[in-house]
Amino acid sequence: QQPVQSPQAVILREGEDAVINCSSSKALYSVHWYRQKHGEAPVFLMILLKGGEQKGHEKISASFNEKKQQSSLYLTASQLSYSGTYFCGFTNAGGTSYGKLTFGQGTILTVHP
Amino acid sequence: EAQVTQNPRYLITVTGKKLTVTCSQNMNHEYMSWYRQDPGLGLRQIYYSMNVEVTDKGDVPEGYKVSRKEKRNFPLILESPSPNQTSLYFCASSSLLADTQYFGPGTRLTVL
Repeated sequence: QQPVQSPQAVILREGEDAVINCSSSKALYSVHWYRQKHGEAPVFLMILLKGGEQKGHEKISASFNEKKQQSSLYLTASQLSYSGTYFCGFTNAGGTSYGKLTFGQGTILTVHP
Repeated sequence: EAQVTQNPRYLITVTGKKLTVTCSQNMNHEYMSWYRQDPGLGLRQIYYSMNVEVTDKGDVPEGYKVSRKEKRNFPLILESPSPNQTSLYFCASSSLLADTQYFGPGTRLTVL
């Protein structure tokens, strides 16, 4: 079952902040975040492993709450280059298919000047 | 240059005509994976491989086959393509699953 991402789309002005949420109905091992610009391949942002850690990447950071089976991506002081579709992907804890990576349906982020 | 290559980049074919999409990486990565991307559905994993001769189903494996005879190559085979397999396909690789996945440029497949 695909992770559920929210919101489906968000429009920002440069400098504004945004949060993208991702939730799963299954116990999670890791969360992957990617960004895809129109007509291009997805590009890696970060991975968070089981343990409730928070990671940062310049003005983009993420948290992982394994108890709630949720992850959030935080974009602060957005720039025009942040525009694109953001995908979260989960790998599940337990079972034999530990190599399976299931992505959400994506969140379209548009940043205007 | 470290990269994942896919061929062909564009393909138009007819129902039932067997085809293979090749994927190759030059980073000595153990993990490789195939995804299809359709509007509104995001990326869906078709098959993945943890290493040579080790492959497993993703979320949407029906109608596809893969093989991993060499570490660098992970071809996707459609034995009898159907119109519902019209999609954008991405191959990706990483040293481990819990690591950066590098995506290929994509293959746009149309099945008539």
